Amino acid sequence: AQSVTQLDSQVPVFEEAPVELRCNYSSSVSVYLFWYVQYPNQGLQLLLKYLSGSTLVESINGFEAEFNKSQTSFHLRKPSVHISDTAEYFCAVMETSGSRLTFGEGTQLTVNP
Amino acid sequence: KAGVTQTPRYLIKTRGQQVTLSCSPISGHRSVSWYQQTPGQGLQFLFEYFSETQRNKGNFPGRFSGRQFSNSRSEMNVSTLELGDSALYLCASRTTGGITEAFFGQGTRLTVV
Repeated sequence: AQSVTQLDSQVPVFEEAPVELRCNYSSSVSVYLFWYVQYPNQGLQLLLKYLSGSTLVESINGFEAEFNKSQTSFHLRKPSVHISDTAEYFCAVMETSGSRLTFGEGTQLTVNP
Repeated sequence: KAGVTQTPRYLIKTRGQQVTLSCSPISGHRSVSWYQQTPGQGLQFLFEYFSETQRNKGNFPGRFSGRQFSNSRSEMNVSTLELGDSALYLCASRTTGGITEAFFGQGTRLTVV
């Protein structure tokens, strides 16, 4: 079985500041890692994913995440946030042999002007 | 290309009633998964259907059931509704059910009174 822990339930930041949303996972088998974003009254949108290869993955809107196998972490970062980044962010894992996503509890990112 | 469509968007039901939610996946996607999202429990996997067969099931009571039709559309049914079933129910589709990206619908907000 897998589990995901998002270390911060709420992260308030000012516009143009850097941000890091932390995610740790536990699994006895190999997993793939994902970050999803959810805007109010919306479904989930995939932000980025780690399947294999380079441990640093990037999204088209400036977010990046680094897979650290030794620390079982997959923290999400952005060097400069915008008001429009305000949303809830979910870290998720999936067994490489499966298709079920296991989600963390979510981190509410609020970007203030 | 149309996204994942869930109907209805909002639903209010009374305790003891049953409810059916519908999900139309992206054209060509054969795998459909269902998730329940609540403030207390977060996002939890309900079940996955692939080619009309249930391939994976989460830890939910038998009151929660689903099915998939030959056109890949899926329905989930909850019988004998309880107050705790109030949640956002999200459907996700993917092409083959493997490590391909899961695309989520906007969800159905179920309120049980």
